[in-house]
Amino acid sequence: QQQVKQSPQSLIVQKGGISIINCAYENTAFDYFPWYQQFPGKGPALLIAIRPDVSEKKEGRFTISFNKSAKQFSLHIMDSQPGDSATYFCAAGDSGAGSYQLTFGKGTKLSVIP
Amino acid sequence: GAVVSQHPSRVICKSGTSVKIECRSLDFQATTMFWYRQFPKQSLMLMATSNEGSKATYEQGVEKDKFLINHASLTLSTLTVTSAHPEDSSFYICSARNRDSRNQPQHFGDGTRLSIL
Repeated sequence: QQQVKQSPQSLIVQKGGISIINCAYENTAFDYFPWYQQFPGKGPALLIAIRPDVSEKKEGRFTISFNKSAKQFSLHIMDSQPGDSATYFCAAGDSGAGSYQLTFGKGTKLSVIP
Repeated sequence: GAVVSQHPSRVICKSGTSVKIECRSLDFQATTMFWYRQFPKQSLMLMATSNEGSKATYEQGVEKDKFLINHASLTLSTLTVTSAHPEDSSFYICSARNRDSRNQPQHFGDGTRLSIL
């Protein structure tokens, strides 16, 4: 059972454009929603994260939109750059048990072309 | 910022060899660490949760005797792949739980590329 569904699987965006990646979750116990960026041969690096008490969070060119009722959240990358080309993973975590165990989406390979 | 160091970054060895991977939290105490496995072009799959001073909790389908986890201190967890075979070749990633950080409760290492010949 896939608890976090991510789409699209791959995305090609022109330089300067907006990249949008979507995720949906099923478990209502999730209360922490991070996005990770991963380059080949490296571990995932936290990009931005949101909690369900807010509907949007912005950090620089990166924005998370969160819809609690629909159980969906998305990552928007404004003014996309070739250096943003990487694989992006959404995840969902439950703080209740204290461990913040994360469930990951399947990933989106983003290619930003000049 | 908080850093997790994973070592080695890459290892190539013969079939039947046991391989140990270390995961260290450099500037915070990690009572919980997680071990993931990632196949090419796929997502991270949680293998086990490592708790300091107690036995690890393994996910369904992960062989405990194959993947030995030791979390002997608050800053170090190790994963030993015993009698490794080519099908164990993969990218292994650890993460450490930072209880002092609400914004970033987990920090990831840079992974270990394991290749079994």
